Amino acid sequence: AQSVTQPDIHITVSEGASLELRCNYSYGATPYLFWYVQSPGQGLQLLLKYFSGDTLVQGIKGFEAEFKRSQSSFNLRKPSVHWSDAAEYFCAVGARWTGNQFYFGTGTSLTVIP
Amino acid sequence: DAGVTQSPTHLIKTRGQQVTLRCSPKSGHDTVSWYQQALGQGPQFIFQYYEEEERQRGNFPDRFSGHQFPNYSSELNVNALLLGDSALYLCASSEAGTSGYYEQYFGPGTRLTVT
Repeated sequence: AQSVTQPDIHITVSEGASLELRCNYSYGATPYLFWYVQSPGQGLQLLLKYFSGDTLVQGIKGFEAEFKRSQSSFNLRKPSVHWSDAAEYFCAVGARWTGNQFYFGTGTSLTVIP
Repeated sequence: DAGVTQSPTHLIKTRGQQVTLRCSPKSGHDTVSWYQQALGQGPQFIFQYYEEEERQRGNFPDRFSGHQFPNYSSELNVNALLLGDSALYLCASSEAGTSGYYEQYFGPGTRLTVT
């Protein structure tokens, strides 16, 4: 069965510090991978996506993520966090052969300390 | 270019009632998916509509039904509401195209509270 695990429920970092949010997935084959961000009371905004090719993908707001097939991981990183990055982050997987149904992790809540 | 819009923003219903939520997809998109996001959880897939038909369904009971109109907008209907149906309901639109895969763009959601 397909599943997505985000091991860290909550992370606190200082502004300017680096950030890494973890995502592990279980899927039948190479999935399509996404990171979304959700501010309180808002919908989901796509940060970045991986379909194929270069395993290091760049997204908006200075975020990047690396797909590691051997570890079934797609971790999100940012070299220097800004206070405005405080939000909930969701990793998601999908694939054409599943009818493009997305599976989401339970999310990681990010707090940024000034 | 308007993104995905949903209405209403908030809704309060009583157990046993029925509710209809609405979604207008992003311009150029022809596929609509609905997700339920309970408090503190990630979104869970309810179903997806394409060409006015339900293409795929998640693990939700038949109380959850939907419809897609010729203009690609969509409705989510929930009958016999339960307290556990309280959640943020998200609509996502995408363009099926011929390549078979597409990105999903999410609306702001409808917050449903069942009392």
